[in-house]
Amino acid sequence: AQSVAQPEDQVNVAEGNPLTVKCTYSVSGNPYLFWYVQYPNRGLQFLLKYITGDNLVKGSYGFEAEFNKSQTSFHLKKPSALVSDSALYFCAVSATSGTYKYIFGTGTRLKVLA
Amino acid sequence: DAGITQSPRHKVTETGTPVTLRCHQTENHRYMYWYRQDPGHGLRLIHYSYGVKDTDKGEVSDGYSVSRSKTEDFLLTLESATSSQTSVYFCAISDSRRIEQYFGPGTRLTVT
Repeated sequence: AQSVAQPEDQVNVAEGNPLTVKCTYSVSGNPYLFWYVQYPNRGLQFLLKYITGDNLVKGSYGFEAEFNKSQTSFHLKKPSALVSDSALYFCAVSATSGTYKYIFGTGTRLKVLA
Repeated sequence: DAGITQSPRHKVTETGTPVTLRCHQTENHRYMYWYRQDPGHGLRLIHYSYGVKDTDKGEVSDGYSVSRSKTEDFLLTLESATSSQTSVYFCAISDSRRIEQYFGPGTRLTVT
């Protein structure tokens, strides 16, 4: 069965510092992996995805994520955090065939302190 | 929000009443999904559709039904609403070219 874990409910980081939001997954076969961001009272916005190829994936708003197959992880990173990055972040995994159904993690709230 | 609208955006209803939520897309995407979002659970898939009249259950489908008579519309029906169905409901779409899902703005449903 597929599963996704986001081990931290909340991450606090000072503005200008690098940030990491962690995600580990379990899936049969090769996964598709995704990161989304949710601002208050909004839908989810797509940030980036890993399908195949380069393990470092770059996405929107300066975010990137590193796929690590041996550790089954897909951590979200940004070199320099902004206060406006404060939001709820979700990791999701999908099997590589079929209907592209997602399994979501429970979310990590990122708080960037000025 | 990528050509996806949801209606209504907010609804308060009483226990035992039927409720229908609508998702409308203008992207002509094949796949459509209904999720619910609850604190501590992230988003959980209720039902999804892989074409007109083609639907299947997700992980939390009990008490919900769906219909898709046109490519652009995907309806979610709570047959007899219960307080446990108080939640925020999101519709999403995708296609086989881009794979990632795009989400609507959500419907906040309160069952009293």
